[in-house]
Amino acid sequence: DTEVTQTPKHLVMGMTNKKSLKCEQHMGHRAMYWYKQKAKKPPELMFVYSYEKLSINESVPSRFSPECPNSSLLNLHLHALQPEDSALYLCASSQVSSGGSRDTQYFGPGTRLTVL
Amino acid sequence: GESVGLHLPTLSVQEGDNSIINCAYSNSASDYFIWYKQESGKGPQFIIDIRSNMDKRQGQRVTVLLNKTVKHLSLQIAATQPGDSAVYFCADLTSGTYKYIFGTGTRLKVLA
Repeated sequence: DTEVTQTPKHLVMGMTNKKSLKCEQHMGHRAMYWYKQKAKKPPELMFVYSYEKLSINESVPSRFSPECPNSSLLNLHLHALQPEDSALYLCASSQVSSGGSRDTQYFGPGTRLTVL
Repeated sequence: GESVGLHLPTLSVQEGDNSIINCAYSNSASDYFIWYKQESGKGPQFIIDIRSNMDKRQGQRVTVLLNKTVKHLSLQIAATQPGDSAVYFCADLTSGTYKYIFGTGTRLKVLA
């Protein structure tokens, strides 16, 4: 099983709303990632969690707040977003070895976020 | 920063022909490479990978070639089918890190 699931599939929110994106994997992967993808562009790394600890924050604005409650779950809390934050948000996971990622990174289907 | 780039943003091929999608990477320390296929509205789907101790790897209808001397990666798709139409991304990783570096993507269009 190489499945990463994400909910919701689509999300529309106003600039004053608070919402959360959820990601789950049951492959035993200990690294989990959040990416943002704009149309016709490659995924851009936002955050990396390794063993439930934040390893990388790519200078993401504080209106995006990641959380890793356990080894299978990854959340992205959203607050006071801007219209330019509208994008496809992708979750991914991979195995960990020697302090870094090892082997394939598997992606979820993404959450299409629209900020009005 | 370092990045992975693609030579052709769009590739059109006739159904049944072979497709070759190219990718250049810049990090000489990269030792793991992946090709992803992304269909419209979906997440990237793993196609095939290769490690730096290999120069060729074959899957079902797909072959990845790695030339470390010129830092070049290619994806060959045999007998291209309409279902192969998608955007293809290469990505590379340096062992001991978590940062997969993605190429800019190539759109493959399969003509009937």
